[in-house]
Amino acid sequence: EPEVTQTPSHQVTQMGQEVILRCVPISNHLYFYWYRQILGQKVEFLVSFYNNEISEKSEIFDDQFSVERPDGSNFTLKIRSTKLEDSAMYFCASSDGRTDTQYFGPGTRLTVL
Amino acid sequence: SQQGEEDPQALSIQEGENATMNCSYKTSINNLQWYRQNSGRGLVHLILIRSNEREKHSGRLRVTLDTSKKSSSLLITASRAADTASYFCATASLPGAAGNKLTFGGGTRVLVKP
Repeated sequence: EPEVTQTPSHQVTQMGQEVILRCVPISNHLYFYWYRQILGQKVEFLVSFYNNEISEKSEIFDDQFSVERPDGSNFTLKIRSTKLEDSAMYFCASSDGRTDTQYFGPGTRLTVL
Repeated sequence: SQQGEEDPQALSIQEGENATMNCSYKTSINNLQWYRQNSGRGLVHLILIRSNEREKHSGRLRVTLDTSKKSSSLLITASRAADTASYFCATASLPGAAGNKLTFGGGTRVLVKP
């Protein structure tokens, strides 16, 4: 069964460094998302992406964040200058647009020191 | 409370018993979805119920939706140890719009004891 994959599974970085989290959505899906879950808290929406542009973003998704679909398969989340409070599990999701079901990847645990 | 609040926050049951958890939300929705998350892992989609549906079944799962009360319930029948996980409800708000963001609740942690 097709699945969303994410790399790396765990990323440790120093505060102020840039990180790129990578996702490969399900191949025929058209809508892509990033969510994050700070330890012990709710899953929070960050951004949705369709037709090579951002369709919606949350207040969390400030100028430090960017997303890109550099080729036909990858979908990336970049954090330009990480802060301690960016430490969280980051989930990528995709949907085909015919239903609202979103399929989530296993997540990348980001630890900012 | 915020959109998508689960109740109870934690539930401990014996294998074979049923587990029921509830979700309340505040704004109008297009659909409501339930997800499972095993500890430290990704979110697995369980079931989606649309705003014009009242009940839906999938295997041992039964979901109800009461839009007048803005609430939903998830029932897991004949629970197994493998059902131990956190369960989240998530709402999608925009009617007829593909690419809806999901708003998640805080989750119910379910422990099924063998």
